[in-house]
Amino acid sequence: DIQMTQSPSSLSASVGDRVTITCRASQSISNYLNWYQQKPGKAPKLLVYAASTLQSGVPSRFSASGSGTDFTLTISSLQPEDFATYYCQQSYRTGFVFGPGTKVDIK
Amino acid sequence: QVQLVESGGGVVQPGRSLRLSCAASGFTFKNDGIHWVRQAPGKGLEWVAVIWYDGSNKYYGDSVKGRFTISRDNSKNTLYLQMNSLRAEDTAVYYCAREGLGASGIFLDYWGQGTLVTVSS
Repeated sequence: DIQMTQSPSSLSASVGDRVTITCRASQSISNYLNWYQQKPGKAPKLLVYAASTLQSGVPSRFSASGSGTDFTLTISSLQPEDFATYYCQQSYRTGFVFGPGTKVDIK
Repeated sequence: QVQLVESGGGVVQPGRSLRLSCAASGFTFKNDGIHWVRQAPGKGLEWVAVIWYDGSNKYYGDSVKGRFTISRDNSKNTLYLQMNSLRAEDTAVYYCAREGLGASGIFLDYWGQGTLVTVSS
């Protein structure tokens, strides 16, 4: 099975900060990688698919890159509405495993 | 607009069964794969199962394989999850999500609000 890890597990940041979250797969998954944002008590929201394609309506301050085993999600200037938990998910193979999540909270 | 509405959650004793439903609207249900994803209290997301658009293929996560069954009724625009032999560790919010398909795999582009299943004696 493909395993997904994320780092850090949590981070504290201020409005306006640049934030980068890393996701790593246990084997190469090409660019079969999605990112989701989840706020407390809400369903997850798709941010990025195919490693770097922003879902329609997602602000341009979000960007993502990577291929193979290493991927990143970057928020160029953190906004108050971005404080949330972020999950990566591999879509390379059935099992569609999610990473453990990275919680972004206010410093 | 796309809507997915889960129902059927509740409190159930260990070893018993429960069936969840997911009512879809705002898109052509029979054309899309649909997934179940769950989230235990205070924990991360766990993928549970997927069913193809026509019901011809179904896949399950290891933790539910052999106990849970995903199905759909395209005439009713409804997805189901039959959960048998429930365990305490199945306690979670269960989400249904629509599958989008791109050049590089699938993604889950619309999600329901979730329904809580609590397995407890």
